[in-house]
Amino acid sequence: DSGVTQTPKHLITATGQRVTLRCSPRSGDLSVYWYQQSLDQGLQFLIHYYNGEERAKGNILERFSAQQFPDLHSELNLSSLELGDSALYFCASSLRGGSSYNEQFFGPGTRLTVL
Amino acid sequence: DQQVKQNSPSLSVQEGRISILNCDYTNSMFDYFLWYKKYPAEGPTFLISISSIKDKNEDGRFTVFLNKSAKHLSLHIVPSQPGDSAVYFCAASARRGSSNTGKLIFGQGTTLQVKP
Repeated sequence: DSGVTQTPKHLITATGQRVTLRCSPRSGDLSVYWYQQSLDQGLQFLIHYYNGEERAKGNILERFSAQQFPDLHSELNLSSLELGDSALYFCASSLRGGSSYNEQFFGPGTRLTVL
Repeated sequence: DQQVKQNSPSLSVQEGRISILNCDYTNSMFDYFLWYKKYPAEGPTFLISISSIKDKNEDGRFTVFLNKSAKHLSLHIVPSQPGDSAVYFCAASARRGSSNTGKLIFGQGTTLQVKP
């Protein structure tokens, strides 16, 4: 158990819909990262938040957005869903941000299926 | 643009023998490298890491070697156990001053099977 929690574990929805994925980092960790793992892709970085502020963006679609709240939990919002958005979405946390060597600890993931 | 590459999709070894997983990278700004293990339906689990100022880091049965001139790293597992069967991901990151700051760039993974 990494200490990172993600809800829900599974999500099935229809094209065009909007969903919210939730992540609670390990106690004391200030950074939250979101990654997407599709069937034909490895783990792809989406976005990084540190203590409530956006720090880095990867290949995140404009239909996707995220935020980190004062209690440090984070939400990833996916809208106007398409079939290709079906994937595993992982959240990871680390103690600090990108200026230090720090391991990222991953949650169990949310499996999103868009029908 | 695949900045981190694991060229072997799979590897099969006998229990008790050495498993060697390889990883190559292209971005010279990377200065921190990590290995993760992933079981089906679970998130990646951190195994071991190495910074660019070292060429070897050891933790129990796991050793990571870094060859900066070749932009190559490897994970050695000795002795291999059936419970080590999983997908292994190599990842790299860069500190401040690079577009890769804070994020991990992952390889495609290598599936290790350890046969009893």
